[in-house]
Amino acid sequence: KQEVTQIPAALSVPEGENLVLNCSFTDSAIYNLQWFRQDPGKGLTSLLLIQSSQREQTSGRLNASLDKSSGRSTLYIAASQPGDSATYLCAVSPPGSNYQLIWGAGTKLIIKP
Amino acid sequence: DVKVTQSSRYLVKRTGEKVFLECVQDMDHENMFWYRQDPGLGLRLIYFSYDVKMKEKGDIPEGYSVSREKKERFSLILESASTNQTSMYLCASSSQPRNEQFFGPGTRLTVL
Repeated sequence: KQEVTQIPAALSVPEGENLVLNCSFTDSAIYNLQWFRQDPGKGLTSLLLIQSSQREQTSGRLNASLDKSSGRSTLYIAASQPGDSATYLCAVSPPGSNYQLIWGAGTKLIIKP
Repeated sequence: DVKVTQSSRYLVKRTGEKVFLECVQDMDHENMFWYRQDPGLGLRLIYFSYDVKMKEKGDIPEGYSVSREKKERFSLILESASTNQTSMYLCASSSQPRNEQFFGPGTRLTVL
């Protein structure tokens, strides 16, 4: 059974630092992996989606990598800003499913000015 | 940009009331989803729909029903609201084959 883990549950860093958020999954057979951000009391915003055949995706200051063999994905945030403070969630889609997402519990990120 | 809208940001209902939550997407996505999100439990799938008038149960369908009469609209129905249905409800949509899910702003439902 696929399980997704995000460690740490919370992270606080000074503004301007580069940082990495981690996502681990137990079954390397995935269709894709998606990173989201969620602000308090709001919906989820899709940040990046990596297909199983890809190694990384980039959007602005964000870079997500995927290593299926080790069951890991990382979200790299460059030059962090207070506006990056949010909860970041990763979710994997199993192969053969057009709907199912297996969710991590999220990492709550605080960027200190 | 994909836009998913939900009918209400906040809703307060009484126990036993029938509650309708509406979701509309503007990107012609065939898949639509309803989740609830609770502290410590994460996101849980209630129902999803892969086409008009088609629906599939998710992980926690009990106490809920859904309706999809038009491709762009997916409704979640609480037939008789109970206090344990107090939660944040999130709607999402996606399209094959990419299957990237896009979410609405959420509806915070409180059942008194």
